[in-house]
Amino acid sequence: EPEVTQTPSHQVTQMGQEVILRCVPISNHLYFYWYRQILGQKVEFLVSFYNNEISEKSEIFDDQFSVERPDGSNFTLKIRSTKLEDSAMYFCASSELAPSSYNEQFFGPGTRLTVL
Amino acid sequence: KNQVEQSPQSLIILEGKNCTLQCNYTVSPFSNLRWYKQDTGRGPVSLTIMTFSENTKSNGRYTATLDADTKQSSLHITASQLSDSASYICVVSADDSNYQLIWGAGTKLIIKP
Repeated sequence: EPEVTQTPSHQVTQMGQEVILRCVPISNHLYFYWYRQILGQKVEFLVSFYNNEISEKSEIFDDQFSVERPDGSNFTLKIRSTKLEDSAMYFCASSELAPSSYNEQFFGPGTRLTVL
Repeated sequence: KNQVEQSPQSLIILEGKNCTLQCNYTVSPFSNLRWYKQDTGRGPVSLTIMTFSENTKSNGRYTATLDADTKQSSLHITASQLSDSASYICVVSADDSNYQLIWGAGTKLIIKP
């Protein structure tokens, strides 16, 4: 069964460094998403991406963040100048169809980012 | 303000028992309600998606109900198994241009042998 994959599973970085989190969405999906979940807290929406551009972003997704689909398979989240509060689990998701009543998003296993 | 509240925050039951998790929401306009299962350290996995016209939906031992009038939903788990130990998250989609997902905090369910 097709699934969303994410690498690395765990990333440790020093405060102020840049990190790139990678995702391979399900191959026939056209809509891509990043979410984060700080330990013990709710899942939070970061950004959605379609047709090589951001379609929606939350207040969290400021200039520190960027997304890119560098080739036909990867979808990346770049975090510049990481802060301690960026430590969280980052989930990538993809969906075949546009956001709608029955659009199902499929989530990857997540990348745990630890900023020291 | 669009919100999703879940109860209880955590629940411990014995293997084989049934349980019911609750979700109340104040999301308008309402599009659909989803229940996700999230194992520790893993991504959420969809269990059910219901629109306002659906009162109940089953997925194996999981049965979700929706009362769009009272803005309440429940997830009933029958004959619990150890593998049911996880967080169960209620997510409501707003019927806006982006079908924004509003996430609950989840109920952490522990099944004991």
